Amino acid sequence: EAGVTQFPSHSVIEKGQTVTLRCDPISGHDNLYWYRRVMGKEIKFLLHFVKESKQDESGMPNNRFLAERTGGTYSTLKVQPAELEDSGVYFCASSRTTGLTEAFFGQGTRLTVV
Amino acid sequence: AQSVTQPDIHITVSEGASLELRCNYSYGATPYLFWYVQSPGQGLQLLLKYFSGDTLVQGIKGFEAEFKRSQSSFNLRKPSVHWSDAAEYFCAVVLNRDDKIIFGKGTRLHILP
Repeated sequence: EAGVTQFPSHSVIEKGQTVTLRCDPISGHDNLYWYRRVMGKEIKFLLHFVKESKQDESGMPNNRFLAERTGGTYSTLKVQPAELEDSGVYFCASSRTTGLTEAFFGQGTRLTVV
Repeated sequence: AQSVTQPDIHITVSEGASLELRCNYSYGATPYLFWYVQSPGQGLQLLLKYFSGDTLVQGIKGFEAEFKRSQSSFNLRKPSVHWSDAAEYFCAVVLNRDDKIIFGKGTRLHILP
């Protein structure tokens, strides 16, 4: 069984540019979560999809971040325009049932905004 | 304030030595408790978890953790570390089964040869 896969593994962009991160969950997992860790801080929740619906997006920092999960399969997280403080590692996780007690995480995407 | 605290940002131990990483939480009820590890270039991997029952839980890679309700702690231990254990370790909690994970700030483990 393939794990949670994230693309790209690294991205370096200039301030003001747009970046799109992608997450492919484990097949059959309806629940998909995005987390991020900015430098020196905790890993923090961004949002939660159940299939294609946003169940909880209380952690999204501002309207420069847009997450989608069309068709309830893979998800994208777009940052537009990117700011310096968006630098960090973005993690995706998926689970078959609701709740992170049984979630699997991807390897993360390291985003650097210069 | 409700939180997960890992008091040690960095820990250095010699290969073969024992290890204990500390984690405390401050919530009214006992949450679900986890330890994750992130090795260089890898994703977050679950080491072990505690939901209920036996307060000493065994995990992968020879790790164990002990839940102590009186101390609101869930410390991670390993009797003898290997160089491959060098990584960052995160303590985490889930308050209710359907809730989001709340992570500590992480402890980076360095291994001396």
